Amino acid sequence: GAVVSQHPSWVICKSGTSVKIECRSLDFQATTMFWYRQFPKQSLMLMATSNEGSKATYEQGVEKDKFLINHASLTLSTLTVTSAHPEDSSFYICSASRVRGRLHSGNTIYFGEGSWLTVV
Amino acid sequence: AQRVTQPEKLLSVFKGAPVELKCNYSYSGSPELFWYVQYSRQRLQLLLRHISRESIKGFTADLNKGETSFHLKKPFAQEEDSAMYYCAWGQGGKLIFGQGTELSVKP
Repeated sequence: GAVVSQHPSWVICKSGTSVKIECRSLDFQATTMFWYRQFPKQSLMLMATSNEGSKATYEQGVEKDKFLINHASLTLSTLTVTSAHPEDSSFYICSASRVRGRLHSGNTIYFGEGSWLTVV
Repeated sequence: AQRVTQPEKLLSVFKGAPVELKCNYSYSGSPELFWYVQYSRQRLQLLLRHISRESIKGFTADLNKGETSFHLKKPFAQEEDSAMYYCAWGQGGKLIFGQGTELSVKP
């Protein structure tokens, strides 16, 4: 079964409004989660690293005031698209890394099912 | 900066033919490389990671450090292999994806 879940699966919002997408790790604690954006027929682009209890780390070119990330608990990270515009319409995907043992190589990365955002 | 390159946007083969999806990378440090598959309307799934050296659904991939490549291969393609395939470089859970290759297997 799914170990990382996103909600909502799809959302339509009006221009100028804000929309929140949740990413939950269902049966493990994730101190770090990741947010990606995928345009149709294109690859996933890493937007930011969500760190539990601290500020997110944004990739170059990603507006931190536009895409607010909050990681208030070990099982939940949220992405809020503020003052959304049609160009923000995209598929947003989160992932979480499940650590097994002390070795970095033991991590398993799980992806959420993604959230379709349409801004009209 | 780390970069992952998949030169082919679309690869079309007939059922039973061999498949090779190319992936090249540039990196600083020790590479951790993955292949992910995305079937239509489904979430991204891990296919292979170079550390485990597994074979999943008949696919294999060998890390060639000299050529900085991690090509994905399957000797006999099946129609159900049709999907988007992404090569990715990873570190600490963060993944940098290639552009993706759409594999189309025709009957």
